[in-house]
Amino acid sequence: AQSVTQLGSHVSVSEGALVLLRCNYSSSVPPYLFWYVQYPNQGLQLLLKYTSAATLVKGINGFEAEFKKSETSFHLTKPSAHMSDAAEYFCAVILPRGYQKVTFGTGTKLQVIP
Amino acid sequence: DGGITQSPKYLFRKEGQNVTLSCEQNLNHDAMYWYRQDPGQGLRLIYYSQIVNDFQKGDIAEGYSVSREKKESFPLTVTSAQKNPTAFYLCASTHRTGAGGTEAFFGQGTRLTVV
Repeated sequence: AQSVTQLGSHVSVSEGALVLLRCNYSSSVPPYLFWYVQYPNQGLQLLLKYTSAATLVKGINGFEAEFKKSETSFHLTKPSAHMSDAAEYFCAVILPRGYQKVTFGTGTKLQVIP
Repeated sequence: DGGITQSPKYLFRKEGQNVTLSCEQNLNHDAMYWYRQDPGQGLRLIYYSQIVNDFQKGDIAEGYSVSREKKESFPLTVTSAQKNPTAFYLCASTHRTGAGGTEAFFGQGTRLTVV
């Protein structure tokens, strides 16, 4: 079984400041990991994914995440926040073999303060 | 363009009525999923299906039913047994790529309101 924990249901940053959204996972085997973004009343859009290649993954809109097996973490970062980054962000995990069951964290709402 | 289509975008239901949410994908993905989203609770898995004519209960399957008669379609029925059906429902699909990766795509969601 796998699970995902996102620390902080709400995060506020100033425009131009570093964005750091935390995600820790639990899995019986090294999983595939994803970050998604959701704007109000819309579906989820894939930001980036880790599938056992490079541990530092670059995604869209300037976001990146680093897979750290020793810390079982996959934190999402962006050097400089933009107003358009305000949204809800979800971390997700799927096992690389067997049933394709995607498990999500509870989400982190990012507020960007002008 | 390939993608996942959910319909309708907004749906109103009277108490005691069953209602079916549509989810269609033209991505040729094997697996499909239904999630329920409530404020502060993230996405909770209702049902998922790996192949045609097979599906599994997720974490909150009570009061819901699904079918998978075709690869591209995975409709969700919210029955009258579901005590609190007002929520945002998301359909998703995944497919294992040849490189061992997995792509997951989402529809735009259906907001169901019980009146």
